[in-house]
Amino acid sequence: DVKVTQSSRYLVKRTGEKVFLECVQDMDHENMFWYRQDPGLGLRLIYFSYDVKMKEKGDIPEGYSVSREKKERFSLILESASTNQTSMYLCASTSLRISINQPQHFGDGTRLSIL
Amino acid sequence: GENVEQHPSTLSVQEGDSAVIKCTYSDSASNYFPWYKQELGKRPQLIIDIRSNVGEKKDQRIAVTLNKTAKHFSLHITETQPEDSAVYFCAASIKNTGNQFYFGTGTSLTVIP
Repeated sequence: DVKVTQSSRYLVKRTGEKVFLECVQDMDHENMFWYRQDPGLGLRLIYFSYDVKMKEKGDIPEGYSVSREKKERFSLILESASTNQTSMYLCASTSLRISINQPQHFGDGTRLSIL
Repeated sequence: GENVEQHPSTLSVQEGDSAVIKCTYSDSASNYFPWYKQELGKRPQLIIDIRSNVGEKKDQRIAVTLNKTAKHFSLHITETQPEDSAVYFCAASIKNTGNQFYFGTGTSLTVIP
């Protein structure tokens, strides 16, 4: 069974702080994703990565960056946290099979509050 | 890029009744359509998916239908139970894009005992 682990379930930070959200998967998946989930807006893609050291912008990358130094780990970074980044953050992973799409597997989420 | 619309945003049904959630997509190159269920405080979990070469797929009380011509797909839950209460998300994925998903905005389903 695929396991996607996010380092924190709840996190409280202050405006202007640099915030790191960590995600680790144990299935040797190539693809990893960071989403933001807000009521009425669904899941919006922030960044994704197809391989180590590779990253692609999603729909709402402003104010965020990512790091993928190892295949199993994908980090989301808020360079200077702002109150409008208070949200639920979900990490997901999936294997890369060019010819057949695969389901994404999600972590439990990190509920981040910026004060 | 792809745009997925999902309706309704909220749905209440009596226990034992059926529930239907509908999604439309814009890109005819989309070929994979998963549905996720997210219970309160939990992670989204895949409940059923369908590929573009199939028109319908069933798994016990859950079924998904796909109309490629009209670019819409629907989730059908029969004999609903209180434990079906959750938020349901549809998604679409385009072939050869590395499994990038485009999600609908979600439907909050409440099953009234």
